[in-house]
Amino acid sequence: DAGVTQSPTHLIKTRGQQVTLRCSPISGHKSVSWYQQVLGQGPQFIFQYYEKEERGRGNFPDRFSARQFPNYSSELNVNALLLGDSALYLCASSLYGQAPAIYFGEGSWLTVV
Amino acid sequence: AQTVTQSQPEMSVQEAETVTLSCTYDTSENNYYLFWYKQPPSRQMILVIRQEAYKQQNATENRFSVNFQKAAKSFSLKISDSQLGDTAMYFCAFMANDMRFGAGTRLTVKP
Repeated sequence: DAGVTQSPTHLIKTRGQQVTLRCSPISGHKSVSWYQQVLGQGPQFIFQYYEKEERGRGNFPDRFSARQFPNYSSELNVNALLLGDSALYLCASSLYGQAPAIYFGEGSWLTVV
Repeated sequence: AQTVTQSQPEMSVQEAETVTLSCTYDTSENNYYLFWYKQPPSRQMILVIRQEAYKQQNATENRFSVNFQKAAKSFSLKISDSQLGDTAMYFCAFMANDMRFGAGTRLTVKP
């Protein structure tokens, strides 16, 4: 079975632009969560979606938004990019919102210049 | 607020020896999960071991085991018979509603 897949793997954007990151969960998993990992730090929780509804939001500005589709895949959108948004964005999936096992994708590297 | 603290930014161990990574957390929740994740240079987070707070028995996965002290809010990871492939960042994580991570411990296994 395929694991959590994310795209694109690497991308470079200019300040002020918008970016969309995509995530496909493990087959059968209904919950997707997003994390931002700045170099040298642990991941920070951004959003959690379960059954296409937002179930949790971390301390991130409104420039960050996400959604989950009927097939449980998800997109993370970031508007008005800042240099500080440069990070590894990780997607994780689980069977349900608070399942005891959460699996991560390989991440999307975003560089804002 | 729920916080996770890893007090050892870096550690090293000789191949085949045992090493213990420390983690403490702060929460008022009674039901939660604790995890250790490994992040090699490829940056993919790999689940090493997990522990349900309601279980008193410490979790074990092959060479990896935890020492879960609920009253002390401590969750340390012991790696036995360390291998070169264990070299990575290790993150302790806590989950009640959303997942919170510590800052990580960089482990180097030396030949």
